[in-house]
Amino acid sequence: DAKTTQPTSMDCAEGRAANLPCNHSTISGNEYVYWYRQIHSQGPQYIIHGLKNNETNEMASLIITEDRKSSTLILPHATLRDTAVYYCIVRSAGGTSYGKLTFGQGTILTVHP
Amino acid sequence: EAQVTQNPRYLITVTGKKLTVTCSQNMNHEYMSWYRQDPGLGLRQIYYSMNVEVTDKGDVPEGYKVSRKEKRNFPLILESPSPNQTSLYFCASSRSSGDGGYTFGSGTRLTVV
Repeated sequence: DAKTTQPTSMDCAEGRAANLPCNHSTISGNEYVYWYRQIHSQGPQYIIHGLKNNETNEMASLIITEDRKSSTLILPHATLRDTAVYYCIVRSAGGTSYGKLTFGQGTILTVHP
Repeated sequence: EAQVTQNPRYLITVTGKKLTVTCSQNMNHEYMSWYRQDPGLGLRQIYYSMNVEVTDKGDVPEGYKVSRKEKRNFPLILESPSPNQTSLYFCASSRSSGDGGYTFGSGTRLTVV
């Protein structure tokens, strides 16, 4: 799977949008971009994923550039409970390698009052 | 409620004493996986399974065994635990197609003395 690069940490004011970037310049055509987050030592939580088009769900929006080499996770109105480590992961769409999910170091997002 | 259940949540054991960490999911997911998380090393995949009787090594399989006799269960077996297997372990499951994220369990904190 393609490697991802994320900033080590970011800060955000409560109520403002949090924009978390991710670079995945070696992504291939059948690989999805997934975002997870982990709060303290809880199990990682799935947030959103996408292939080419921008995606939105009740938690967040995912913006993928046209060349698919980078993406941005947007939390539209960050709250204190959004403080967590956010992981951007590239995952193949199927086949024998679909089960592999490689986590990087992620971005520590701190939301301030 | 759709969930992945791991047991036990906490375990302290002695070197060499065989142990099993159980994992069960109620979502009829084909894919299941085990991760360990260590400070500074992040989440690393130990084993994954694409379906019943189909398993494959992740990034750090040494010292671990798994089995997938039933779709819902994916136990992690440490035949002869050593102190370097002290870690936080997570089980996860997902659908087989490319449009689903992994659902993670709450974790098992294992200490080997």
